[in-house]
Amino acid sequence: KAGVTQTPRYLIKTRGQQVTLSCSPISGHRSVSWYQQTPGQGLQFLFEYFSETQRNKGNFPGRFSGRQFSNSRSEMNVSTLELGDSALYLCASSLEIAYSNEQFFGPGTRLTVL
Amino acid sequence: LAKTTQPISMDSYEGQEVNITCSHNNIATNDYITWYQQFPSQGPRFIIQGYKTKVTNEVASLFIPADRKSSTLSLPRVSLSDTAVYYCLVGDQTGANNLFFGTGTRLTVIP
Repeated sequence: KAGVTQTPRYLIKTRGQQVTLSCSPISGHRSVSWYQQTPGQGLQFLFEYFSETQRNKGNFPGRFSGRQFSNSRSEMNVSTLELGDSALYLCASSLEIAYSNEQFFGPGTRLTVL
Repeated sequence: LAKTTQPISMDSYEGQEVNITCSHNNIATNDYITWYQQFPSQGPRFIIQGYKTKVTNEVASLFIPADRKSSTLSLPRVSLSDTAVYYCLVGDQTGANNLFFGTGTRLTVIP
C-alpha cells in the first residue's frame, strides 16, 4: 500500500505570496492532519480534517487554511507569507480520527520564504 | 489542555535499555498516549500507543501508571540506528491544541 505523499517536496516563495501544499493520504484513510515543524518551535499541530470537515484547529493565524476533498486528499494554503512561515510542513493520515489512531506521516514539504 | 513534558536529550550506550519518561499532568479521561520517532529530514513514525497499564510491541514497551499523569517509553537494547527524536503525544479531543507533540527527547546512542 502506498504511503502518504506530499507535493511539492521543496518550495521557495517570497514574502506576501501565497502557497498551496498538497497531501494524498493512504488509501482508505479518512483523517488528514497538518503540522508545522521548525527548529525553534518543534512540531506544532495546524489542523485536522475528517470526512471533508475540519475537525480541530491548532493555534495558528487565519492565514493558514486547509480543505479536504471527497477522496480524502487535502490541501493546505498559507496566504500573505511571512519569513517565519519557513518550515517543514508535514501531513499525516490515519484511518479514523487522529487522536486515538496511529498517524502515518508523509515526507513533508520544505517551504522557504525569502 | 493536555500538554507534555519530556527531557530535552538523553545519551545511552549501545545495547542498553533506554527509558524516556513523559509527564502529562492534565491528561483527560479519553486521551490516548502515543509515542513517535523521528529521524532527520523525515516525518515522525509511530512507535506505540496506550491508554493505561502496559503495552508491548516488537520494538518497545509503554508503561502507564494508574493515575496516567506520566508514561514511560522503554526501548530494549538500543542500537546506533535508534538515535532520533522521540515524541510523546497526548491526544486531546476537547481542546484547541489537539495532538500536541511538544519538543521531544533527542536520544543519542553511543557506540
